[in-house]
Amino acid sequence: KQEVTQIPAALSVPEGENLVLNCSFTDSAIYNLQWFRQDPGKGLTSLLLIQSSQREQTSGRLNASLDKSSGRSTLYIAASQPGDSATYLCAAGVGNEKLTFGTGTRLTIIP
Amino acid sequence: DVKVTQSSRYLVKRTGEKVFLECVQDMDHENMFWYRQDPGLGLRLIYFSYDVKMKEKGDIPEGYSVSREKKERFSLILESASTNQTSMYLCASSLSLSGVNEQFFGPGTRLTVL
Repeated sequence: KQEVTQIPAALSVPEGENLVLNCSFTDSAIYNLQWFRQDPGKGLTSLLLIQSSQREQTSGRLNASLDKSSGRSTLYIAASQPGDSATYLCAAGVGNEKLTFGTGTRLTIIP
Repeated sequence: DVKVTQSSRYLVKRTGEKVFLECVQDMDHENMFWYRQDPGLGLRLIYFSYDVKMKEKGDIPEGYSVSREKKERFSLILESASTNQTSMYLCASSLSLSGVNEQFFGPGTRLTVL
């Protein structure tokens, strides 16, 4: 059974710094890897989707990478801003459109 | 843009009540999902549907049922609400069963069962 882990559970970073969020998964036979953002009390906003055949995806200041052989994905955020403060979730596509989620990293950007 | 809406942001019900949570998507997506989110446990799949009147159990279907009479609408039903069903409920949709599609989420319903 696929397990997805995100460490650390919480991270505080000064504004302007670049940062990396980590996601690891136990079964490399994934269909895709999706990163989401969740603000307190709200739903999930899709950030990036990496298909299993891809190595990375970029959107603005965000870059997500995927290394299936090592069971890892990273989300790189450049030039962090206070508005980036949120919980970031990764999810592995395990077939039949199902996703297995990590428990998230709560990111705080300090002004 | 895909829009997924949920009928209520906050809901308070009594133990034993029948509860309906409604979800509507406006992008003609074939797949729809219901999750619950609890602190420390993350998101867990309750049920999903890949076509009208079709449904499959997720990881935690006990105590829940679903209905999908129209493509755009997917309902989660708590037949007899219990306090351990207090949670955040999230609905999502995706395009088709190709296995490679992005999921889009609604704003969530925070359900409290007293």
